[in-house]
Amino acid sequence: AQSVTQLDSQVPVFEEAPVELRCNYSSSVSVYLFWYVQYPNQGLQLLLKYLSGSTLVKGINGFEAEFNKSQTSFHLRKPSVHISDTAEYFCAVSDQVYGGSQGNLIFGKGTKLSVKP
Amino acid sequence: NAGVTQTPKFRILKIGQSMTLQCTQDMNHNYMYWYRQDPGMGLKLIYYSVGAGITDKGEVPNGYNVSRSTTEDFPLRLELAAPSQTSVYFCASSPMNTEAFFGQGTRLTVV
Repeated sequence: AQSVTQLDSQVPVFEEAPVELRCNYSSSVSVYLFWYVQYPNQGLQLLLKYLSGSTLVKGINGFEAEFNKSQTSFHLRKPSVHISDTAEYFCAVSDQVYGGSQGNLIFGKGTKLSVKP
Repeated sequence: NAGVTQTPKFRILKIGQSMTLQCTQDMNHNYMYWYRQDPGMGLKLIYYSVGAGITDKGEVPNGYNVSRSTTEDFPLRLELAAPSQTSVYFCASSPMNTEAFFGQGTRLTVV
């Protein structure tokens, strides 16, 4: 069974500073990887995804992530954050099976990003 | 576009009562999921379905049941509510191997 570890539960950062949110996963098979964002009292929305191909993935709102198979990591980065990026961020993994997803989309515990002026 | 719709948005249950959380999607997605979210614990997968008539247990299925008779609907049933089931429940749907689309959640309190 796969698992996801988000190494930081909270990350405070000043506006316009860079940020990195860390994610490591474990799985015995090839995986699909995702980052989601959750604003207060809302559902989750997709920031970006890695399915195959280039290991550097760009998403919405200026975020990007890099898939590192040897380190089983998928860290999320943004070069300059805004107050509006304050939210909770979740890393997720799904096993690849027969070219598709097995369906068991598993999430990490989340990282709360707090952007201060 | 409706996307994934969950009802109700809020509910208070007494211990031992039962209820069904409704989830419907209008995107013709094969995959559907139920998660519960507790503070600091992320999202835990309760059940998922890869198509009508097919369901499977996730990480925390005890105390819950699901069915998937149509592509659109994936209701979650709580038979004997317990305080440990106080949580926010999210339903999601997905095409075969791409992003999951989430509903707005159901906040359930068991007292």
